[in-house]
Amino acid sequence: AQSVTQLDSHVSVSEGTPVLLRCNYSSSYSPSLFWYVQHPNKGLQLLLKYTSAATLVKGINGFEAEFKKSETSFHLTKPSAHMSDAAEYFCVVPVGGYGNKLVFGAGTILRVKS
Amino acid sequence: GAVVSQHPSRVICKSGTSVKIECRSLDFQATTMFWYRQFPKKSLMLMATSNEGSKATYEQGVEKDKFLINHASLTLSTLTVTSAHPEDSSFYICSASPGTSGSYEQYFGPGTRLTVT
Repeated sequence: AQSVTQLDSHVSVSEGTPVLLRCNYSSSYSPSLFWYVQHPNKGLQLLLKYTSAATLVKGINGFEAEFKKSETSFHLTKPSAHMSDAAEYFCVVPVGGYGNKLVFGAGTILRVKS
Repeated sequence: GAVVSQHPSRVICKSGTSVKIECRSLDFQATTMFWYRQFPKKSLMLMATSNEGSKATYEQGVEKDKFLINHASLTLSTLTVTSAHPEDSSFYICSASPGTSGSYEQYFGPGTRLTVT
């Protein structure tokens, strides 16, 4: 069965410093993978998606993620954190293909200090 | 584009009563809608998948008689929590997809906070 594990429940960074949110996946084949962000009182928003076209995926708001099959990882990064990045981030794997059932990781709360 | 709304955003009800939550796709037709439940400090768990005009498919462990889902049109799905109890208190989130195959993105609503007293 496909699953994702987010390695940190909370990450705290200072504004202007890099962000790293870690996600490992478990799958018998190369899956599609997504990162979603959830701001308080707002719907989940798709940050970026990997669908096997390119291992380095660029998303919105300066975020990117690299699919590493050898490490079964799909870590989310951003070179310089902004206060508005403070939110909860979910690594997600679709079961049965993109748009069908989604399996969510436990989430990582990102705190950005001024 | 691709906006999904939920109503109400918050609801408080007494134990034993029923509560209906609406999920609407505002600018696209949602062939498939999904209902999730998010417990405090926990991730989202899929409750059920519904296709317009069909009966919902519930995930294992979700009581279909307690969580009634109706997807009567291509822009509206409702979740009714029947005979609600305090343990049903949670954050309910819907998502909508314009297709049924694996190539369509899901768009999420802002969620509904249900508190059962």
